[in-house]
Amino acid sequence: NAGVMQNPRHLVRRRGQEARLRCSPMKGHSHVYWYRQLPEEGLKFMVYLQKENIIDESGMPKERFSAEFPKEGPSILRIQQVVRGDSAAYFCASSPALGGTGNYGYTFGSGTRLTVV
Amino acid sequence: AQRVTQPEKLLSVFKGAPVELKCNYSYSGSPELFWYVQYSRQRLQLLLRHISRESIKGFTADLNKGETSFHLKKPFAQEEDSAMYYCALLNTDKLIFGTGTRLQVFP
Repeated sequence: NAGVMQNPRHLVRRRGQEARLRCSPMKGHSHVYWYRQLPEEGLKFMVYLQKENIIDESGMPKERFSAEFPKEGPSILRIQQVVRGDSAAYFCASSPALGGTGNYGYTFGSGTRLTVV
Repeated sequence: AQRVTQPEKLLSVFKGAPVELKCNYSYSGSPELFWYVQYSRQRLQLLLRHISRESIKGFTADLNKGETSFHLKKPFAQEEDSAMYYCALLNTDKLIFGTGTRLQVFP
């Protein structure tokens, strides 16, 4: 089991460009969560998705950010017109059940470090 | 508001010394709490959760509802314990994390 796979590991974008971050959940997991970690801060929840549905996007900025988890393929976190303040580590986690209350809780990916120059 | 507080950014100890990483929470209801660990250049890993009452790598954590705390403890620290430790609270469908404590264990 390859675990939660995120790519790319590092992404550099110029201001105004688009950033696409990908997350493939663990095999058998149908729940995906995105978190953002700003420098010197803890992980902040962004969005929770199931296949083809956004369940909770209360942590997503209102503009420029969107997320999807299509029926086929990885979950995508998309940031349009990136600004310097978007520079952060973006982590994806997956779980087999609501709230990760299965035996193994959430499983995290290695993250994507976005740098906006 | 639901919140997790880890007051120490950095905790440095010598090998063999006891360790206590502090975590306090604010939650209206019955909390479900976790400790995650992130070793250098690796992903976050679940260390333990309070409902399982288990001991992983010698670490334990007891939920104290009176003090709203879930401190992580280990009686004898090892160098390989050096890592970032995050306390987290499950709020319906999402985890709320503290800002983390970096544990440094010196030889």
